[in-house]
Amino acid sequence: QKEVEQNSGPLSVPEGAIASLNCTYSDRGSQSFFWYRQYSGKSPELIMSIYSNGDKEDGRFTAQLNKASQYVSLLIRDSQPSDSATYLCAVPPQAGTALIFGKGTTLSVSS
Amino acid sequence: GAVVSQHPSRVICKSGTSVKIECRSLDFQATTMFWYRQFPKQSLMLMATSNEGSKATYEQGVEKDKFLINHASLTLSTLTVTSAHPEDSSFYICSARDRDPFSGRSYNEQFFGPGTRLTVL
Repeated sequence: QKEVEQNSGPLSVPEGAIASLNCTYSDRGSQSFFWYRQYSGKSPELIMSIYSNGDKEDGRFTAQLNKASQYVSLLIRDSQPSDSATYLCAVPPQAGTALIFGKGTTLSVSS
Repeated sequence: GAVVSQHPSRVICKSGTSVKIECRSLDFQATTMFWYRQFPKQSLMLMATSNEGSKATYEQGVEKDKFLINHASLTLSTLTVTSAHPEDSSFYICSARDRDPFSGRSYNEQFFGPGTRLTVL
């Protein structure tokens, strides 16, 4: 059974702080990793993808991947109240297959 | 680019009726679309993989005769919930992958439609 694990939270951070979201996955053969943001009542929105070990930065978002540890994280710098949402980690077990989602981490940014 | 639409966005129906949900890729061709279901405060659960021109592949525990999927073109997949019951009330979301126009190879990113909230009374 392919699994993607996340802490459900809620993770609460003050405005301007760094939010750190973590995800582990069970399939050592996975090659691509995605972070989606989902606001309440809405569908997921892709915010980051990462394929290689190391860091990938896009604006205030940084994804970090460690394939040896089967671990992927998302850092959100200068957190804003508008970042308050559920963040879903997603991994396709094989290239071309459907994404398997973690249960999501709920982030709350207080102003 | 990579815009996916769904229709309707919300539907309320009586128990025993059938409901059709459409998923369209607006600016790209999607040979594969995916259907997910999400219950309140839970994550997305994959229901089926829809392949253009062939039968859908259903996940374990999903009744293929109850959730009919048709992927008749490269831009449209439909999910029909037959004889809907209150326990089918959920948020149904489709997704699709774009593909490289030269090689035909699908990209890994999945883009989601806005979802359809089904309420069965």
